[in-house]
Amino acid sequence: DAGVIQSPRHEVTEMGQEVTLRCKPISGHDYLFWYRQTMMRGLELLIYFNNNVPIDDSGMPEDRFSAKMPNASFSTLKIQPSEPRDSAVYFCASSWGGRYYGYTFGSGTRLTVV
Amino acid sequence: AQKITQTQPGMFVQEKEAVTLDCTYDTSDPSYGLFWYKQPSSGEMIFLIYQGSYDQQNATEGRYSLNFQKARKSANLVISASQLGDSAMYFCAMREANFGNEKLTFGTGTRLTIIP
Repeated sequence: DAGVIQSPRHEVTEMGQEVTLRCKPISGHDYLFWYRQTMMRGLELLIYFNNNVPIDDSGMPEDRFSAKMPNASFSTLKIQPSEPRDSAVYFCASSWGGRYYGYTFGSGTRLTVV
Repeated sequence: AQKITQTQPGMFVQEKEAVTLDCTYDTSDPSYGLFWYKQPSSGEMIFLIYQGSYDQQNATEGRYSLNFQKARKSANLVISASQLGDSAMYFCAMREANFGNEKLTFGTGTRLTIIP
């Protein structure tokens, strides 16, 4: 398996533009997580899905952020409109359910909003 | 209250020495898993080691071992014979077994620097 695949690796965009981050989880994993990492706030859970259904989106900062998982092999995180304070590394991770299993993380998308 | 506490923001250790990274956790769930991840400067998150709450023995993976003290709610990572490549950020994390609460909770991390 190729692991969790995120695209793009780097994204530079202007304030106000729409940004879409993509994630392909490991086949068979039934949980998918989106995290944001910044120096100030560390790792923050934004949202997670179980069997393609959003379970907890309490970490989504505001209405500008939205996430979808239309099928078991694809998820998107969209920011519209983007702001400079959204600049961060966004990680996607997937796992099986249960306390025995950690996450497999993607390589992350480094987003810079100028 | 913080569920995962890592009290060492940064550590400097001489190469080839052993190092212990501290982690304490808080949960009322008797069933949980504890994890350590490494994040080198390249940014990826790498799984290192896992300890289950019911495991009788401390977990080991090569040079990594987990000093699990359940009564103290402590899960310290021990790296033996440190190497320059061990310089990275290290995160402790916990996953509880509560149905519907499957997320990993991460600590704030410890930045380890190995000195030649």
